[in-house]
Amino acid sequence: SQKIEQNSEALNIQEGKTATLTCNYTNYSPAYLQWYRQDPGRGPVFLLLIRENEKEKRKERLKVTFDTTLKQSLFHITASQPADSATYLCALDYSGGGADGLTFGKGTHLIIQP
Amino acid sequence: DTGVSQDPRHKITKRGQNVTFRCDPISEHNRLYWYRQTLGQGPEFLTYFQNEAQLEKSRLLSDRFSAERPKGSFSTLEIQRTEQGDSAMYLCASSLVITGNEYFGPGTRLTVT
Repeated sequence: SQKIEQNSEALNIQEGKTATLTCNYTNYSPAYLQWYRQDPGRGPVFLLLIRENEKEKRKERLKVTFDTTLKQSLFHITASQPADSATYLCALDYSGGGADGLTFGKGTHLIIQP
Repeated sequence: DTGVSQDPRHKITKRGQNVTFRCDPISEHNRLYWYRQTLGQGPEFLTYFQNEAQLEKSRLLSDRFSAERPKGSFSTLEIQRTEQGDSAMYLCASSLVITGNEYFGPGTRLTVT
């Protein structure tokens, strides 16, 4: 079965630095790979979506890369701020449009220290 | 507020009781999803609807679970004969077919005692 690995330990980053989160998966590549942010007690919030034929996507301070050869996505937050502290979830969409729902990783807890 | 809403936000029930949760998606979204999330885990897909048709169900959705979306609008998720293992956050999400990304509601936290 498909396995998704995200940094299991909390990631501590100093304010102003770039935070880099990793998502690795096994087996076949999804049509879309998505990143979500989740705060305690709340539902996930969509951040970025990248398709299997795309290498990189950017949105403001966020950047995501997708390497189907390595079966890996990297999620970067530049000029990090304490308000960026949250759990970040990687999600795989095999159907390319959500027809089978999303398969989520466990998430990485990011802490930005002032 | 035009986001996804869920009701109730919290539910405490005794083992063996039935519970029902409601989800109101973003009005123009034609897809609606249910997920379950336990502490320290990512959301797990349960089922989804396109308009009023239930198109996919996870093996996690035992025969004690049933979901409906009458008229392709709001949806309900019912759990019959609840078990302690059903304690979790139940998340609803909606999306447009053409975009793929999902908008999540705040969730319903179920505690089975």
